[in-house]
Amino acid sequence: KQEVTQIPAALSVPEGENLVLNCSFTDSAIYNLQWFRQDPGKGLTSLLLIQSSQREQTSGRLNASLDKSSGRSTLYIAASQPGDSATYLCAVLDTGNQFYFGTGTSLTVIP
Amino acid sequence: DAGITQSPRHKVTETGTPVTLRCHQTENHRYMYWYRQDPGHGLRLIHYSYGVKDTDKGEVSDGYSVSRSKTEDFLLTLESATSSQTSVYFCAISDYRDTEAFFGQGTRLTVV
Repeated sequence: KQEVTQIPAALSVPEGENLVLNCSFTDSAIYNLQWFRQDPGKGLTSLLLIQSSQREQTSGRLNASLDKSSGRSTLYIAASQPGDSATYLCAVLDTGNQFYFGTGTSLTVIP
Repeated sequence: DAGITQSPRHKVTETGTPVTLRCHQTENHRYMYWYRQDPGHGLRLIHYSYGVKDTDKGEVSDGYSVSRSKTEDFLLTLESATSSQTSVYFCAISDYRDTEAFFGQGTRLTVV
């Protein structure tokens, strides 16, 4: 069974800092990996999708990398802002077409 | 935003009563999923569907059933609700494996 782990569970940084969130998974047989953002009491918003054949994806201040062979992904957020405060979740789509989620990293950006 | 709607958004029900949650999509996506989200457990898959009348169990399917009679609708039924089913339920949709998954806004269910 696929296990997805996110480290750290919580992170607090001053505004303007660059930061890295980590995601690891146990089974490298995946179709893709997706990063989501969740605000309190809300649904999940898709941030970036990386196909299993890709190494990275970028969207604005966000950059996600994928090393499938080692079972790792990172989400890099540049020049953090208070509006980036949220929980960030990674999910892998396995070859059975099921998504497996990590428990998330709760990010607080201090003004 | 992807066209995915969950109803109801909030529900309080009594132990032992049946409950049905609805997920409706306007994207014509093939795959639909039901997850529950609980503190300390993250998101866990209950059931999913890969086409009309094609469904399969997820990690935490006991006590839940699903139906998909139309591409756009995926229903989750708790036949006899229990307090352990108090949770936030999310529906998700995706198309082929190289496309994004999109989530609904969630249904907060409380079983008293």
